Amino acid sequence: DQQVKQNSPSLSVQEGRISILNCDYTNSMFDYFLWYKKYPAEGPTFLISISSIKDKNEDGRFTVFLNKSAKHLSLHIVPSQPGDSAVYFCAASGGLYGGSQGNLIFGKGTKLSVKP
Amino acid sequence: DTGVSQDPRHKITKRGQNVTFRCDPISEHNRLYWYRQTLGQGPEFLTYFQNEAQLEKSRLLSDRFSAERPKGSFSTLEIQRTEQGDSAMYLCASSFQGEGVEAFFGQGTRLTVV
Repeated sequence: DQQVKQNSPSLSVQEGRISILNCDYTNSMFDYFLWYKKYPAEGPTFLISISSIKDKNEDGRFTVFLNKSAKHLSLHIVPSQPGDSAVYFCAASGGLYGGSQGNLIFGKGTKLSVKP
Repeated sequence: DTGVSQDPRHKITKRGQNVTFRCDPISEHNRLYWYRQTLGQGPEFLTYFQNEAQLEKSRLLSDRFSAERPKGSFSTLEIQRTEQGDSAMYLCASSFQGEGVEAFFGQGTRLTVV
């Protein structure tokens, strides 16, 4: 059973508009969440993270929102640029405040295409 | 370049052969992880080390898989008697305990078993 779900396999957005990527999780023990970006034939690149004690974290054009009651997080990219076109993975960990400190649980990813 | 380095980038092997991959983590990182990624899936955790100790192994890691990190620096992942189902991207990542759980990934080793 998937503990981290990204229900949209793909998303297409016009350059300059906002991209919103969604992620749901089922395990309430998760206390740290991360977004990674992956280009073809490369390893995932860390983008932004948020701990469960926060509901928002911002880094430049990227903002992650966490809704613990809904077990939902989202990544907002604004404004979107063609170079943002990649596969975005949501990941969760129970390692910050307890539980397994060893590994990240990934979703299946959402392919973002930003059109000029 | 001080990122995570993996070698080789690509490996094609015949079924039944043994293969070994190497990972050099970011030098100050004491945690090292191995993940596997197949097409259309996110990375799946295999195992992780803190310094030289292997602290966690996934159920995905069958007896044919073994990982080592003998001196707490680089790590090797060996697959014995490879099967076609082992074809995947093998990713190594590292992190520093105490600075969140952000792991930084290498570029991966693409294994094709024919």
